[in-house]
Amino acid sequence: NAGVTQTPKFRVLKTGQSMTLLCAQDMNHEYMYWYRQDPGMGLRLIHYSVGEGTTAKGEVPDGYNVSRLKKQNFLLGLESAAPSQTSVYFCASSRRKREVVYEQYFGPGTRLTVT
Amino acid sequence: AQKVTQAQTEISVVEKEDVTLDCVYETRDTTYYLFWYKQPPSGELVFLIRRNSFDEQNEISGRYSWNFQKSTSSFNFTITASQVVDSAVYFCALSDQNAGGTSYGKLTFGQGTILTVHP
Repeated sequence: NAGVTQTPKFRVLKTGQSMTLLCAQDMNHEYMYWYRQDPGMGLRLIHYSVGEGTTAKGEVPDGYNVSRLKKQNFLLGLESAAPSQTSVYFCASSRRKREVVYEQYFGPGTRLTVT
Repeated sequence: AQKVTQAQTEISVVEKEDVTLDCVYETRDTTYYLFWYKQPPSGELVFLIRRNSFDEQNEISGRYSWNFQKSTSSFNFTITASQVVDSAVYFCALSDQNAGGTSYGKLTFGQGTILTVHP
């Protein structure tokens, strides 16, 4: 049981390049999330998904796109990377039950540097 | 809008000291959940506790304890007899509650408190 995995662990991009971060979970969770972590700012929600085929914007969605074609996978895309997107990216997943919020399980993170 | 404030940016203690990490939150929701996560130097986020807004009982788990005070909108975390392995960044987080009672579990995190425990 791997939990939540993220690919890649590290990446360096040049301004304007594109890339996709892959998140996979094997816990059959309905909900999945992408956060970014910047020094002194905690974690901020980029996008989230409440089920296969659905996505929604979080607090800081600009410059990112996401897709959830399969329940276990949640992809985060950067179409044209900017230095402001240098950050550590975390994927998370959680169970779903109406009116109950469960804890999120996080992946190990992806450290992205945009030069 | 929801907000979580962890006013202590960094705390430094010596092993075996007790330490309390403060968390103050703001929300208009009547039902909400609060969480604490630990981020050790290795970088992963480790879930510590989840608390429902209707349950104001304090909780103890080994050397860890949590004090939830709805009247002051605080959810403080105390480590008793701290150890070097407790050195980490600790995050407090608050869930949202959509209209109609459905929650998608979106979290608002505080800025984090860096705890350093010296031997």
